[in-house]
Amino acid sequence: GDSVTQMEGPVTLSEEAFLTINCTYTATGYPSLFWYVQYPGEGLQLLLKATKADDKGSNKGFEATYRKETTSFHLEKGSVQVSDSAVYFCALRRQGAQKLVFGQGTRLTINP
Amino acid sequence: SQTIHQWPATLVQPVGSPLSLECTVEGTSNPNLYWYRQAAGRGLQLLFYSVGIGQISSEVPQNLSASRPQDRQFILSSKKLLLSDSGFYLCAWSGGGSGANVLTFGAGSRLTVL
Repeated sequence: GDSVTQMEGPVTLSEEAFLTINCTYTATGYPSLFWYVQYPGEGLQLLLKATKADDKGSNKGFEATYRKETTSFHLEKGSVQVSDSAVYFCALRRQGAQKLVFGQGTRLTINP
Repeated sequence: SQTIHQWPATLVQPVGSPLSLECTVEGTSNPNLYWYRQAAGRGLQLLFYSVGIGQISSEVPQNLSASRPQDRQFILSSKKLLLSDSGFYLCAWSGGGSGANVLTFGAGSRLTVL
């Protein structure tokens, strides 16, 4: 079945550091891929998405590129801020399916 | 604009008691509706989803149930709670068709079963 695997957390970085959170997926066909963010005590918010191979999603300084050849959608940011501290979820939706499949989440903490 | 409401925000219940969590969506018609659970230290698990009134798909066999009595209302229930039902429950909606690409989540309901 469809699945999403994220790098194990927690991840702790200093402010202005470079961030990468790895995400790989298993799915048939060409799924749409997403990153969601969950700030403490809140629900999830869509951060960015990509719907076909080689698409790059971007938002708030975060980027992720849909890599079909490596079945990956790694999240990157060049310079993180304390306000980026949150849990990040990678997700996919198979074409024609009604539901999203989420990874286990990666907790990110940014220290000043 | 569309909004999604969940309540209660926090709930503490004894083992064996019933449960009812409610979710309503405003500003859209015929949404797809979802219930996810986030257990402590774990990812998101899809429990139920619905593409229309009275249409419920169950993803995980358990002692929870869901109902959709109205187009924009989705209810998560249990007759007798277990300790393992503790967690953060998230309701979400999406449009149908290609709109199902993006989920919009509520603020969540934190359930503690003692």
